[in-house]
Amino acid sequence: AQKITQTQPGMFVQEKEAVTLDCTYDTSDPSYGLFWYKQPSSGEMIFLIYQGSYDQQNATEGRYSLNFQKARKSANLVISASQLGDSAMYFCAMRERDGGFKTIFGAGTRLFVKA
Amino acid sequence: DAGVIQSPRHEVTEMGQEVTLRCKPISGHDYLFWYRQTMMRGLELLIYFNNNVPIDDSGMPEDRFSAKMPNASFSTLKIQPSEPRDSAVYFCASSSGTGLQKETQYFGPGTRLLVL
Repeated sequence: AQKITQTQPGMFVQEKEAVTLDCTYDTSDPSYGLFWYKQPSSGEMIFLIYQGSYDQQNATEGRYSLNFQKARKSANLVISASQLGDSAMYFCAMRERDGGFKTIFGAGTRLFVKA
Repeated sequence: DAGVIQSPRHEVTEMGQEVTLRCKPISGHDYLFWYRQTMMRGLELLIYFNNNVPIDDSGMPEDRFSAKMPNASFSTLKIQPSEPRDSAVYFCASSSGTGLQKETQYFGPGTRLLVL
């Protein structure tokens, strides 16, 4: 079974608008962490934001925020005020406490920001 | 601060040849990871080390692949003999491993491998 599911292969957003990238996960471990990474066309993987399973508040990092709905097992990334430079692949990932440092990545969502 | 360093950035080789990919983790990081990224399979963890010791190599595809970490600042991933299906981007990542799950993995720029 897929542990990390990103159902949107591709998304379009108008520059300066907000966009939500979906991520659902599956785990029976009560302690886990969720991550989002950005991969621009140049290929590097850039860490964006982290959410812990016990964190009471949704994580925010600048224009990035994570809409964490624990009961629904979803961890959607919200990018506010999209910029052309946000065009990239975005990966959701999870690490379970019982999985050690093994991080599992989703298939990714390609975001296109239109001028 | 220097990030994770990988070399070479690009490698083109012929089937049957030995390929060696190199990685220098961020100084002070105790964990090192090797990933492979392909269009078909996405990002896969091949192996990871803690304090230079391999912890989980269940992702290594077959015996043609081997990885070593002789010291805290250097690791290699070797493919011998290489095959066209090994063509992919290989990433190295490191993490400080304080025991907290918040410790993010920081990725190197990757090595693009093409096996002809």
